[in-house]
Amino acid sequence: RKEVEQDPGPFNVPEGATVAFNCTYSNSASQSFFWYRQDCRKEPKLLMSVYSSGNEDGRFTAQLNRASQYISLLIRDSKLSDSATYLCVVNRDYKLSFGAGTTVTVRA
Amino acid sequence: GAGVSQTPSNKVTEKGKYVELRCDPISGHTALYWYRQSLGQGPEFLIYFQGTGAADDSGLPNDRFFAVRPEGSVSTLKIQRTERGDSAVYLCASSPDGVIAEAFFGQGTRLTVV
Repeated sequence: RKEVEQDPGPFNVPEGATVAFNCTYSNSASQSFFWYRQDCRKEPKLLMSVYSSGNEDGRFTAQLNRASQYISLLIRDSKLSDSATYLCVVNRDYKLSFGAGTTVTVRA
Repeated sequence: GAGVSQTPSNKVTEKGKYVELRCDPISGHTALYWYRQSLGQGPEFLIYFQGTGAADDSGLPNDRFFAVRPEGSVSTLKIQRTERGDSAVYLCASSPDGVIAEAFFGQGTRLTVV
């Protein structure tokens, strides 16, 4: 079983829509959690950290459910520029484990 | 620049050759990671350095792969007797500490073994 599993999508949504997706992780000892964004043929870049209480960064909301071992990301009022692959990342000690990514395409 | 720098950006090599990939992390970052990413997959962990030492090399696929970080800054990933299956993007990342801080990635080296 992979340490981090994500729905690969693709999620194809119109501008202005809300899109949400999850990932699950297998190791309950995982300590910290992140969403990274990766554009085509580019390096992953940190989108936001995910905290147990849930957190927002502008149009992005992340939630963590430690009991069920899943992490979610919600994007409100989608923009064309939100089109990317979103990587769920779990950190245990020093080691970052990545999901395979969820592809989101926002259409005009 | 202030980011993680990787060279070369692209490398094409023949099967069986030796290659070296270089990573120059963000100044002051003690943690350095190497990852490998194949098309359609997330980055796959290879090795982690804390300072000069390899704290975890459990992700290196076999003994053809080796990495060093002799002065605790620049790191080199070395691949001997390259195989076509080694073709991937090799990503380097650094972090101010290895426990809870986010990692910052370089743009990667795209290795193609022909």
